[in-house]
Amino acid sequence: GAVVSQHPSRVICKSGTSVKIECRSLDFQATTMFWYRQFPKQSLMLMATSNEGSKATYEQGVEKDKFLINHASLTLSTLTVTSAHPEDSSFYICSARGGGGRTDTQYFGPGTRLTVL
Amino acid sequence: GDSVTQMEGPVTLSEEAFLTINCTYTATGYPSLFWYVQYPGEGLQLLLKATKADDKGSNKGFEATYRKETTSFHLEKGSVQVSDSAVYFCALTPDSWGKFQFGAGTQVVVTP
Repeated sequence: GAVVSQHPSRVICKSGTSVKIECRSLDFQATTMFWYRQFPKQSLMLMATSNEGSKATYEQGVEKDKFLINHASLTLSTLTVTSAHPEDSSFYICSARGGGGRTDTQYFGPGTRLTVL
Repeated sequence: GDSVTQMEGPVTLSEEAFLTINCTYTATGYPSLFWYVQYPGEGLQLLLKATKADDKGSNKGFEATYRKETTSFHLEKGSVQVSDSAVYFCALTPDSWGKFQFGAGTQVVVTP
């Protein structure tokens, strides 16, 4: 089946630094990618929708200047957490959807655990 | 807004036991409903789905029926195996754009 990878799987950084997380669709072209955030024992919360070649659409309450999303190609989207703070520590998951628009053809990455010290 | 509520875990079962994970939702309109499973160290995988009322989704021995009258989509399996140990997420999407609303996830632990 289709595979979505994320890199890194785990990152620890100092407060104030920026961290980039990559999401790649390995064997299909993803016209749309989604970024989610998951707090311990809580739901995945949608942060933004990323369409290739256009600006990301952010959900209400998500700071677009803090969580920079770039979807430069049909196989890669990046999420950059700028000036990270301890409250940004979380599990970040991306998903990728191929063409056709069917909502069930959406594949999730394994997630990236971010810890900000 | 739309939301999904599922039972808290962990749920610990013996092999061959019956599994039920309750899921209820609130949504305007007619959402599609999903169950995803996340095995340790892996991404979320679609387990089953239902797109309209009274639809039954099934896969790998798991079943869930879209009950509009009770706004529920409970997941069931008649005889679990150790390999079913995972976290299960109930989710809905209100439209075709793919914005999922997830429940908190329920960890299931099956012991030999």
